[in-house]
Amino acid sequence: SYELTQPPSVSVSPGQTATITCSGDKLGDKYASWYRQRPGQSPVLVIYQDTKRPSGIPERFSGSNSGNTATLTISGTQAMDEADYYCQAWDSSTGVFGGGTKLTVL
Amino acid sequence: EVHLVESGGGLVQPGGSLRLSCVTSGFTFSISWMSWVRQAPGKGLEWVANIKQDGGERYYVDSVKGRFTISRDNAKNSLYLQMNSLRAEDTAVYYCASLGGNSWQFDYWGQGTLVTVSS
Repeated sequence: SYELTQPPSVSVSPGQTATITCSGDKLGDKYASWYRQRPGQSPVLVIYQDTKRPSGIPERFSGSNSGNTATLTISGTQAMDEADYYCQAWDSSTGVFGGGTKLTVL
Repeated sequence: EVHLVESGGGLVQPGGSLRLSCVTSGFTFSISWMSWVRQAPGKGLEWVANIKQDGGERYYVDSVKGRFTISRDNAKNSLYLQMNSLRAEDTAVYYCASLGGNSWQFDYWGQGTLVTVSS
């Protein structure tokens, strides 16, 4: 079965750039999306189709996807960005999520 | 404004059944693929099932095939998940979500309903 691998945790200082990776076999041939989940809340879509931002998501969120790795980048990270982040892709009609990355803003 | 409201969760014994519902508003339900995603306590997200606009196509994660059935009622803007032969490992918060565009991103999510399978 298809798998997506994320680092369990990433730490960043306020105002710096956070980078979260998501690895999967030929992931660049699929569309990747990213979700933010704050404690006790439902997930929220932050990036879709590799690079697109839904309305209401700040410009500091960006994405890329090539080869075997999709990347979520948060520029000028703020305390409010502290959350769990999940990548997601489809393998045929089967949904796959990465294990999630806890972003800590120190 | 888009709303998805799940209900039907609760405590059930192993081997039992539950039916989850998700009532939606604020978007055109009848033209949207829909999905169920679950999250075990303290764990990550897991996709469970998808259903096409007319119900003609349904997909499931292997672990629930033959036990769970996704369905919908477009007249009521509602999504359902019938869960039979429940196991302890099915314990999770179950979210309903709409699938958007050609890339099937999970556009909107409900607040979730907790299912606990325990004796």
